[in-house]
Amino acid sequence: GAGVSQSPSNKVTEKGKDVELRCDPISGHTALYWYRQSLGQGLEFLIYFQGNSAPDKSGLPSDRFSAERTGGSVSTLTIQRTQQEDSAVYLCASSSRARETQYFGPGTRLTVL
Amino acid sequence: AQSVSQHNHHVILSEAASLELGCNYSYGGTVNLFWYVQYPGQHLQLLLKYFSGDPLVKGIKGFEAEFIKSKFSFNLRKPSVQWSDTAEYFCAVNPAHTGGFKTIFGAGTRLFVKA
Repeated sequence: GAGVSQSPSNKVTEKGKDVELRCDPISGHTALYWYRQSLGQGLEFLIYFQGNSAPDKSGLPSDRFSAERTGGSVSTLTIQRTQQEDSAVYLCASSSRARETQYFGPGTRLTVL
Repeated sequence: AQSVSQHNHHVILSEAASLELGCNYSYGGTVNLFWYVQYPGQHLQLLLKYFSGDPLVKGIKGFEAEFIKSKFSFNLRKPSVQWSDTAEYFCAVNPAHTGGFKTIFGAGTRLFVKA
């Protein structure tokens, strides 16, 4: 595709519900990143996928957060039993390989009521 | 833990003023350095990057940044800003020892340029 796409663009959910956020990286990019951006904060690294290697999950804030990447392309970030502090913009980025320029999607704005 | 500090959270300048945004990081090894920019309503995009070689790097739209290893700094500069430079700017560091995946971002600096 022309760029990184994410869906939905906005998600409003009730506390305790599960949500799934989707990321379609640029075709051919082997590296995929998820970040969280809270109001007034920088980008907080969540998880990284590189090709078929085991993902780096060291940034996930709790076991309620998980992510997968199917077929080395599309990725889904799942947040279970959402809490109000999960409200943020979730950004996905991809790069042609590790350490290279990251191309960002438009983000998903998650609001937990 | 590694960190990236951006000294100014908000900067207001008049057009034609000079700009310097500070960025310091806390990692002593080899790093890749980036400045990303987010214009209003747009995605984050790369402004410039430093991997190796000349420590003075030039990016798009007249921006440049200087890597000073002894000061762990990578400050962003522009001699004369324009109204269209109004945006949020993020410094990012990629420490080599992580294998390249854990890019650490600063909190961002919001720049507003008065026309």
